[in-house]
Amino acid sequence: GESVGLHLPTLSVQEGDNSIINCAYSNSASDYFIWYKQESGKGPQFIIDIRSNMDKRQGQRVTVLLNKTVKHLSLQIAATQPGDSAVYFCAENMYSGAGSYQLTFGKGTKLSVIP
Amino acid sequence: DVKVTQSSRYLVKRTGEKVFLECVQDMDHENMFWYRQDPGLGLRLIYFSYDVKMKEKGDIPEGYSVSREKKERFSLILESASTNQTSMYLCASSGGGTTLREQYFGPGTRLTVT
Repeated sequence: GESVGLHLPTLSVQEGDNSIINCAYSNSASDYFIWYKQESGKGPQFIIDIRSNMDKRQGQRVTVLLNKTVKHLSLQIAATQPGDSAVYFCAENMYSGAGSYQLTFGKGTKLSVIP
Repeated sequence: DVKVTQSSRYLVKRTGEKVFLECVQDMDHENMFWYRQDPGLGLRLIYFSYDVKMKEKGDIPEGYSVSREKKERFSLILESASTNQTSMYLCASSGGGTTLREQYFGPGTRLTVT
């Protein structure tokens, strides 16, 4: 399997419970944040994003909370399912000039769902 | 749906070989990116390109070069592969402007240099 899960913080939750994955970001000038999910053997997939002028955004079964005061993001997954097992990354997005944006990724958290 | 494809899922090369990793996107995106992903280090940006024939160094460009001759294609080149370049390589693309900054990723190429 993928070695991306090694050396990562791991969160184990029971199927049906809610999951909360936390992320600290580094740059107070970051104005856009994304959560990605990476399943074994695949590239990261977009889950949800939030702009810095918001503190909460909801999607289907997922909610992202942003606390700019302490530079903290969290991803909440409701009613966690086995298919949610993956590595989750937060990313902060900054304008890097010439009309382009760079993402800086966190190290990731491995979510394991116990059936 | 955006599709980002990478030329190989798995690649084994010998030390000193020149290696080409190809990435193609089908959404007419201006920006394309190459990352490597290593355990404990997360994703690190190698190079990115915001237009055809334009390139910018990321955080770890040493030992790599890139080519963007067409808008849809972004190539990563390892001039002389070394064992410390064994890694998962991920390509991504995103649209330009302020409205779309989400990056779409390909499936990755697992490169082993022996």
